[in-house]
Amino acid sequence: SQKIEQNSEALNIQEGKTATLTCNYTNYSPAYLQWYRQDPGRGPVFLLLIRENEKEKRKERLKVTFDTTLKQSLFHITASQPADSATYLCALQQQAGTALIFGKGTTLSVSS
Amino acid sequence: DAGVIQSPRHEVTEMGQEVTLRCKPISGHNSLFWYRQTMMRGLELLIYFNNNVPIDDSGMPEDRFSAKMPNASFSTLKIQPSEPRDSAVYFCASSFRTPIEAFFGQGTRLTVV
Repeated sequence: SQKIEQNSEALNIQEGKTATLTCNYTNYSPAYLQWYRQDPGRGPVFLLLIRENEKEKRKERLKVTFDTTLKQSLFHITASQPADSATYLCALQQQAGTALIFGKGTTLSVSS
Repeated sequence: DAGVIQSPRHEVTEMGQEVTLRCKPISGHNSLFWYRQTMMRGLELLIYFNNNVPIDDSGMPEDRFSAKMPNASFSTLKIQPSEPRDSAVYFCASSFRTPIEAFFGQGTRLTVV
């Protein structure tokens, strides 16, 4: 069956450290992989997109990697801050013209 | 632009009643999605419209659920009759390009008692 698994439901780290979140998928061949941020009581907000032929993408303190052999994406937040505390969702798009399928998310808590 | 607008924000209804959720996508966006989010199942795709036409409705749980998009600026998700297990947060999202960059509304929290 098709699955998208995010490594853990919750991740607690100290301010200034690097947070690393994992997204593994089974029985998908996504052309695109995305990461979204969701704050309590709000809808998800797009952060980064990476294509199947790209290994790594960066945006400010964020970095995403995509390994189609391992069927895994890693999402890094460097120099983390309490304001980074939120739930982060991984989403796959199989190909153009198909919808996004989401993982359940990992809740990140950054303590000062 | 005000973003994706959903109404109502909260809905409490009794089992067996009809519920209609509404969505106004961002102007110019040609794709619209309805998702349902629960703690147990996460964010599940219910239906995907492109240019007002349903493309993928495989996520619609059963015949009690129906969705329409009569024009590019409005969509509805209807549940009739509603059941307690339908309690969830329902999100509408829109996009204007491929690959999709989805813009989500604030969601409708539905409680069926």
